Amino acid sequence: QSALTQPASVSGSPGQSITISCTGTSSDVGSFNLVSWYQQHPGKAPKVMISEVSKRPSGVSSRFSGSKSGNTASLTISGLQAEDEADYYCCAYAGNSTYVFGTGTKVTVL
Amino acid sequence: QITLKESGPTLVRPTQTLTLTCTFSGFSFSTSGVGVGWIRQPPGKALEWLALIYWDDDKRCSPSLKNRLTITKDTSKNQVVLTMTNMDPVDTATYYCAHIPRSGTTGFYTAFDFWGQGTLVTVSS
Repeated sequence: QSALTQPASVSGSPGQSITISCTGTSSDVGSFNLVSWYQQHPGKAPKVMISEVSKRPSGVSSRFSGSKSGNTASLTISGLQAEDEADYYCCAYAGNSTYVFGTGTKVTVL
Repeated sequence: QITLKESGPTLVRPTQTLTLTCTFSGFSFSTSGVGVGWIRQPPGKALEWLALIYWDDDKRCSPSLKNRLTITKDTSKNQVVLTMTNMDPVDTATYYCAHIPRSGTTGFYTAFDFWGQGTLVTVSS
């Protein structure tokens, strides 16, 4: 069970859209629609932004959206804002009631 | 509302056993379809899933750590306990517990929707 692969960093200017990828295998991301995304600001606990590939929990901005194709899931942030600067992690169900997190992506707002 | 809080030692010596307790409110293991997981994060590094226990006492641990981990629950106290044996300095991390609900439509457990504040555990002699 290896960590899901994410780009180390992604950056964009305010108002732009950015996409973070999360690549797994046919045993985790590719097998189940159970990918979630978490935002983590420095010194804070993670906060769920997307569940089940594309579902947005109550209170999460509609600027955040998720999708999946094959073994790769993606998180898109549209209309980038300064407050979106944070670390982002994907997480996937890996079968047999186990989970695996991604390597993490640092989002910088230029 | 749902809250969780981790407690335990802040400093552990190498080879010792770590015992962490997650005390929660706002839900109960007496209700079907809930789980509590443990996730850790070494300083400056990524999140790592460790273990998960469900309302029906089903439990799972990370394959890479399963020989060192034990997860249990006390339904009457609203607590989940994680023990990790043979601690090493590489186990220095912030340890989080988190709630995970089951979808009413798919039957699968979805995402870690509520997290504790985390507790930093340092392993050092």
